[in-house]
Amino acid sequence: DVKVTQSSRYLVKRTGEKVFLECVQDMDHENMFWYRQDPGLGLRLIYFSYDVKMKEKGDIPEGYSVSREKKERFSLILESASTNQTSMYLCASTASSGNTIYFGEGSWLTVV
Amino acid sequence: AQSVTQPDIHITVSEGASLELRCNYSYGATPYLFWYVQSPGQGLQLLLKYFSGDTLVQGIKGFEAEFKRSQSSFNLRKPSVHWSDAAEYFCAVGAPGGATNKLIFGTGTLLAVQP
Repeated sequence: DVKVTQSSRYLVKRTGEKVFLECVQDMDHENMFWYRQDPGLGLRLIYFSYDVKMKEKGDIPEGYSVSREKKERFSLILESASTNQTSMYLCASTASSGNTIYFGEGSWLTVV
Repeated sequence: AQSVTQPDIHITVSEGASLELRCNYSYGATPYLFWYVQSPGQGLQLLLKYFSGDTLVQGIKGFEAEFKRSQSSFNLRKPSVHWSDAAEYFCAVGAPGGATNKLIFGTGTLLAVQP
């Protein structure tokens, strides 16, 4: 089975803090994604990466950055957390030849 | 622009009753179509997908969905709902052959199951 692991399930951070959300996949997938999920808005794509050190902006990249130094790991960075970034963050991955995206269990971030 | 509409925000059904969750999409061609389910506090699990061929697709947990090109719809169905089906359901579309396989999601339908 494909495994996408988000190491931090629940975080509480203060406004202005730098926040790292880590995601690791074990299936050698080329593509990795970060989504944000909010009630009534569904999932919105923040950033995605199709190769090591490659990244592209999704629909809502403002206030976020990403890092992909290794194929299996994709990090989402909030340089200066704000309360409007309180949300659930979902990491996902897929093979470049495949069309099924596999999701992690999510990271609940609360910014106070 | 590509979009996915799930017109029902909340649905409540009785256990044992049939279920249909609606999904309509806007896309220039026939997209890849997916249904995901999310239990509380969990990530998304793939229920089923349609790429091509038979327009009625079977998924896990007894779910099925039918692609209707003329209606731009991909509705999810289950003949008899179980209490464990209470969850949020998301429809998604993807670009065939898209190099990055991005998905566009609907806003979700929250299913409640009455005993």
